[in-house]
Amino acid sequence: SQTIHQWPATLVQPVGSPLSLECTVEGTSNPNLYWYRQAAGRGLQLLFYSVGIGQISSEVPQNLSASRPQDRQFILSSKKLLLSDSGFYLCAWRDQGTSLRTQYFGPGTRLTVL
Amino acid sequence: AQSVTQLDSHVSVSEGTPVLLRCNYSSSYSPSLFWYVQHPNKGLQLLLKYTSAATLVKGINGFEAEFKKSETSFHLTKPSAHMSDAAEYFCVVSEVTGRRALTFGSGTRLQVQP
Repeated sequence: SQTIHQWPATLVQPVGSPLSLECTVEGTSNPNLYWYRQAAGRGLQLLFYSVGIGQISSEVPQNLSASRPQDRQFILSSKKLLLSDSGFYLCAWRDQGTSLRTQYFGPGTRLTVL
Repeated sequence: AQSVTQLDSHVSVSEGTPVLLRCNYSSSYSPSLFWYVQHPNKGLQLLLKYTSAATLVKGINGFEAEFKKSETSFHLTKPSAHMSDAAEYFCVVSEVTGRRALTFGSGTRLQVQP
């Protein structure tokens, strides 16, 4: 069966510091991968998605970036965090090889920027 | 373009009474629709999905949803609420092609009173 991992689970960082959040998927090959952010009291916003290694599409302008160095690894980064980057970050995967549209989510990372 | 409207931001029910969480969607194509549940500081768990098969969809934990094309609705129901059902619920529509990103409703917080 497929599983998705995210770490760290929680993170507190000062403004201006760098960021690296990691997401890995097991039990599937060549998945579509997604990064979402959930700000306090709001719905989810798609930040990035990837259909393959090195292929990243950005959905919103921001100071975050994403990379996919391996098939089942998706990394969210920032060189300098802003207060507005605080939120709950969720990684998701979807089976690219079928017409199924279901996305499966990881446990999330709670980021607080102080 | 597609969109989702969750008609209630907050629903409160008593334990053992029925639950109704309302969702209306807008989509240019035959949509895929989902309900996800999020417990505090947790990731999103798929409750159920509609992908153009049966219009009445059964999910986990006793939840059901009925797809009504004429009303563009996909309301979530449960005959009898449990305390453990207290969480945030998201109605979601998926793009048909391309990135197949999810568009989330703003969420409904379900409170279950003893």
